[in-house]
Amino acid sequence: GENVEQHPSTLSVQEGDSAVIKCTYSDSASNYFPWYKQELGKRPQLIIDIRSNVGEKKDQRIAVTLNKTAKHFSLHITETQPEDSAVYFCAASEQAAGNKLTFGGGTRVLVKP
Amino acid sequence: DAGVTQSPTHLIKTRGQQVTLRCSPKSGHDTVSWYQQALGQGPQFIFQYYEEEERQRGNFPDRFSGHQFPNYSSELNVNALLLGDSALYLCASERMPGNTIYFGEGSWLTVV
Repeated sequence: GENVEQHPSTLSVQEGDSAVIKCTYSDSASNYFPWYKQELGKRPQLIIDIRSNVGEKKDQRIAVTLNKTAKHFSLHITETQPEDSAVYFCAASEQAAGNKLTFGGGTRVLVKP
Repeated sequence: DAGVTQSPTHLIKTRGQQVTLRCSPKSGHDTVSWYQQALGQGPQFIFQYYEEEERQRGNFPDRFSGHQFPNYSSELNVNALLLGDSALYLCASERMPGNTIYFGEGSWLTVV
């Protein structure tokens, strides 16, 4: 089955700096890669996703890149703000028959004011 | 437009008991999946229901079972509860095939 590795497990940045989280996946059949933000005691909230026919996607301060050949994808957050502090999860899925998301272990991001 | 709703939000059970968790998918969605999220970990896929049938299953024992009703809502049942079943149980819905999925707020289960 699919295996998703996520690094780093914790990330501390100064407000205004950029944060980068990297994930690798094992199943070449995976074609959908969402990123979720989870605040303490809350549900995972989708912040951005990318499909395998696209190499990069951007939404305001958030961007995701995908390298299918190397089987890795990354989340980039620019101009970080204290409200970006949360746990971020990457995930991978083969969407042909509905999403069966395999999640990475999570990255705890702390943005220091 | 209501999102994914789950009940109950919190519950405490004793080892060996059985529990039923409920989920109503987002309007227009026909597929429901269940995930278990232990403290400090990422969610783990339990199973997925579509057209009232279990379509995909993760690495969970038979103690975990489910059901989907004609109105697309779903239940997760766990029998013979173990302490290790303590977790946040998340329901997610999507419209087949393979569109963006949305998570509910989850049900916090504590087994004592």
